[in-house]
Amino acid sequence: RKEVEQDPGPFNVPEGATVAFNCTYSNSASQSFFWYRQDCRKEPKLLMSVYSSGNEDGRFTAQLNRASQYISLLIRDSKLSDSATYLCVVAYQAGTALIFGKGTTLSVSS
Amino acid sequence: GAGVSQSPSNKVTEKGKDVELRCDPISGHTALYWYRQSLGQGLEFLIYFQGNSAPDKSGLPSDRFSAERTGGSVSTLTIQRTQQEDSAVYLCASSSPGQGDTQYFGPGTRLTVL
Repeated sequence: RKEVEQDPGPFNVPEGATVAFNCTYSNSASQSFFWYRQDCRKEPKLLMSVYSSGNEDGRFTAQLNRASQYISLLIRDSKLSDSATYLCVVAYQAGTALIFGKGTTLSVSS
Repeated sequence: GAGVSQSPSNKVTEKGKDVELRCDPISGHTALYWYRQSLGQGLEFLIYFQGNSAPDKSGLPSDRFSAERTGGSVSTLTIQRTQQEDSAVYLCASSSPGQGDTQYFGPGTRLTVL
């Protein structure tokens, strides 16, 4: 079993749609959780950290369920500029190596 | 401000040659990480340096891979006797506890081994 598993995608949605990505992780001792975004042939960039209480940043909402070892990302009112690969990422401790899922590709069309 | 920089941006080499990849972290960042991303694969951790502590080398795939960090700043990843399966994008990241340990990535070095 891979350490971080994500929906295979790709997700093709129209502008304005709501889309949800899911992710599971295998190590229950993981302490830090993130969603990164990676555009084609670019480096990953932090989209948002994920906290146990859930957190929101504009159109983006992230949820963490430690009991189920499950992380989600919800994007509301999708924009063309949201088209990218979304990477689910965990770390055993803050400041240590990141463990990446393979990513889910989102394509938003007009 | 300046982000993480890496050089070269692209490197083409022949099988069996040695290569050196360079990373300049964000000034003041105490931690530096190397990852690689192969075609169709996720990002894979290689090694990380945290301050003056011994590096965590647990992700290095073979003894052909090594890295050093001089003066707590610039890092060099060396791959000896390159193989075709080493072809990948090598990404460097740096972080600081003062910035929540968020890892900021450089643009990567695309290595092609012929």
